[in-house]
Amino acid sequence: EAQVTQNPRYLITVTGKKLTVTCSQNMNHEYMSWYRQDPGLGLRQIYYSMNVEVTDKGDVPEGYKVSRKEKRNFPLILESPSPNQTSLYFCASSLYRDISPLHFGNGTRLTVT
Amino acid sequence: KNEVEQSPQNLTAQEGEFITINCSYSVGISALHWLQQHPGGGIVSLFMLSSGKKKHGRLIATINIQEKHSSLHITASHPRDSAVYICASKLQGAQKLVFGQGTRLTINP
Repeated sequence: EAQVTQNPRYLITVTGKKLTVTCSQNMNHEYMSWYRQDPGLGLRQIYYSMNVEVTDKGDVPEGYKVSRKEKRNFPLILESPSPNQTSLYFCASSLYRDISPLHFGNGTRLTVT
Repeated sequence: KNEVEQSPQNLTAQEGEFITINCSYSVGISALHWLQQHPGGGIVSLFMLSSGKKKHGRLIATINIQEKHSSLHITASHPRDSAVYICASKLQGAQKLVFGQGTRLTINP
């Protein structure tokens, strides 16, 4: 089944403790991206990747890192999480960046205390 | 001012009614996405448009490039259509997606 798999679904952590949210797609998509969703602010793009080893910042990249060593995986890394990174995170992929539908993961609800 | 504006923000209707959700954007785009998010659920892509009109079941999406406007229509609405609908524009010459604030739709039986 074609899908985008995010893990974990829920994560509660403490300030400063490094964490990684994984994202994997099995559709051979070139484009992958990360978003956060906050009440009143909607969805905002954190980072995106147009292909292996090609990543770039979105609107809200501060405090986050990404890597794209393989086409299927695009992990989101929070080196030193802070409470303002408490949010609902979504990973998405598409075949090409401009003209293809987006496929979203199920989301990760992160709480940083 | 957000580059993508949706209206209305909230919409409540009775089962069977024809629903229209609007999305306006301020700059040139290469594509526009309509997304659906159920309460507590993930996000599903409904349509991706660069011109004209698309139909899938009871859902219809249209886009007018000259007027920088897109609409999502739901015919014969049903309570299971209750969700947040989000439009997102892919800006021309840029890599990012810009999202509208979403329209919360509630269909009462």
